[in-house]
Amino acid sequence: GEDVEQSLFLSVREGDSSVINCTYTDSSSTYLYWYKQEPGAGLQLLTYIFSNMDMKQDQRLTVLLNKKDKHLSLRIADTQTGDSAIYFCAENGKTSYDKVIFGPGTSLSVIP
Amino acid sequence: NAGVMQNPRHLVRRRGQEARLRCSPMKGHSHVYWYRQLPEEGLKFMVYLQKENIIDESGMPKERFSAEFPKEGPSILRIQQVVRGDSAAYFCASSPQTGQGRTDTQYFGPGTRLTVL
Repeated sequence: GEDVEQSLFLSVREGDSSVINCTYTDSSSTYLYWYKQEPGAGLQLLTYIFSNMDMKQDQRLTVLLNKKDKHLSLRIADTQTGDSAIYFCAENGKTSYDKVIFGPGTSLSVIP
Repeated sequence: NAGVMQNPRHLVRRRGQEARLRCSPMKGHSHVYWYRQLPEEGLKFMVYLQKENIIDESGMPKERFSAEFPKEGPSILRIQQVVRGDSAAYFCASSPQTGQGRTDTQYFGPGTRLTVL
């Protein structure tokens, strides 16, 4: 079935790099996404990667995709306190439209 | 271009009352999705609608919940006879019409936080 898993918590020091990992089960996913949710707010699309790519870089964000292992990661360089949030990994579902399946979210805490 | 808008942002209801949540998609978007986020959990898909049609409601409880996306006006998620377990954040997302399969990213609204007393 469709399932996305993430570790629930991550704590890093300000200035260090953060790596948030995700595994998914649907090998037919076309896009994989990372969303950020700040406390009491909605979801903000951070970045996404097409399934035929291995890596995508966008300023401080680097997304790595290992399609063979169905493993996705989000690296945040020079992590700042403003990066503290919940990060959701998500994939397309199996259906012919854009039903997105979310992971449980990783709560990132940045220690000053 | 305004983003996805949801109202109200916060809604308090007593058990047995009705809750109506509204979502206005981004301009030019004709696909709407509703998700529910229970406290300290991830988002769960509820329903996917296009204008005047429900495409997939597999994630929506069979009873008390209904959704619509009329030709004119916002999409409405309606919860009848609310219970405490309905307390959650309800997010709406929209995407444009492509006709080309699973290529469109969904853009999320700020959510409606429903509290059932």
